[in-house]
Amino acid sequence: DGGITQSPKYLFRKEGQNVTLSCEQNLNHDAMYWYRQDPGQGLRLIYYSQIVNDFQKGDIAEGYSVSREKKESFPLTVTSAQKNPTAFYLCASSIEYQRGSEQFFGPGTRLTVL
Amino acid sequence: SQQGEEDPQALSIQEGENATMNCSYKTSINNLQWYRQNSGRGLVHLILIRSNEREKHSGRLRVTLDTSKKSSSLLITASRAADTASYFCATAGNTGGFKTIFGAGTRLFVKA
Repeated sequence: DGGITQSPKYLFRKEGQNVTLSCEQNLNHDAMYWYRQDPGQGLRLIYYSQIVNDFQKGDIAEGYSVSREKKESFPLTVTSAQKNPTAFYLCASSIEYQRGSEQFFGPGTRLTVL
Repeated sequence: SQQGEEDPQALSIQEGENATMNCSYKTSINNLQWYRQNSGRGLVHLILIRSNEREKHSGRLRVTLDTSKKSSSLLITASRAADTASYFCATAGNTGGFKTIFGAGTRLFVKA
């Protein structure tokens, strides 16, 4: 079964803690993305990676960090520096970054800060 | 600034009726895509229309693109209760990189 998975589905964090959200794909896609979605809103790009060992900041990267050590994995760390981290986080992948290819999305992780 | 903006923000129709959603954007694009999101889920790609195409069909979906007006529309014919979801347009630019930008979405509610 080819696809993109995210874990956990729900995550609770205390203020001041770092948490890492997992994203894995077995689609052999070069590009991967992390988005944040707030209630009733569209998607905002946090980070993206065009290829393994490379990543770029998106529109709202402050307080977040990523790594892309393997083609299939693109974990997102929400650090204590992110002032309002409660949101729905979506990971996506595409065959390539160039030409705005169709993106395949994971089921999302809902992060709540207590 | 946000590239794609959907209109209306919310739409409520009866089952069997057609649903039309519009998307406007600001700068030149390489392609425009429509996605669907069921509540609390990830997005699902519906259709991609390239800048040199004017119309595309997929099942009950019809997408049009007018690059002179920088707008697109998504028509869902003979809607079903299962079509209830949020629909997003996403534009992929062709200058300064190929960043894909999502709009805020149209929330469609189809009443059975």
